[in-house]
Amino acid sequence: ILNVEQSPQSLHVQEGDSTNFTCSFPSSNFYALHWYRWETAKSPEALFVMTLNGDEKKKGRISATLNTKEGYSYLYIKGSQPEDSATYLCAPNTGNQFYFGTGTSLTVIP
Amino acid sequence: NAGVTQTPKFQVLKTGQSMTLQCAQDMNHNSMYWYRQDPGMGLRLIYYSASEGTTDKGEVPNGYNVSRLNKREFSLRLESAAPSQTSVYFCASSPGQGVETQYFGPGTRLLVL
Repeated sequence: ILNVEQSPQSLHVQEGDSTNFTCSFPSSNFYALHWYRWETAKSPEALFVMTLNGDEKKKGRISATLNTKEGYSYLYIKGSQPEDSATYLCAPNTGNQFYFGTGTSLTVIP
Repeated sequence: NAGVTQTPKFQVLKTGQSMTLQCAQDMNHNSMYWYRQDPGMGLRLIYYSASEGTTDKGEVPNGYNVSRLNKREFSLRLESAAPSQTSVYFCASSPGQGVETQYFGPGTRLLVL
């Protein structure tokens, strides 16, 4: 079992602010690091999969980086919009086993 | 293309009753998973099936059984429900193992009284 920590637990930002969250995990023995976006009353949707140290992925205003040597990943949202309000989950996986963090709950205030 | 579907959406059981949660995917994925989600905890893996005909325990398998009926369907059975099994259950599928993304169903909310 991998211990995955996400911080902060929750975050309220004003529309237009940029923000970032952290995912920390043991730095050895995992295949990939996944980020998911989970809106209330829906199911988690995949944002990024990263495998290599130094990996950077971007989708619109959202980007993520991965540091496998020190065991962390950052998710950045530039110019937050109300539709970005959701819980953001990270999950390193070892083969078939995904280990989900408890998530960062983001609320963007119009 | 419905993706991953789950039935039922919501169920209330009495302690000791049994039930089966159904999951189906139409993406021709090889691997399927069952998770439970409880307040203050991350999604926890109950069982998974890496391919048709195989199943393996995850982090929290006690009190559950699974069946990979065919490539499309993966069911989760509670033989004798307990209040501790009150949770939201998510089914997921992925093309294969390793770095493949998982695709989630809408969830089944289960209340055991």
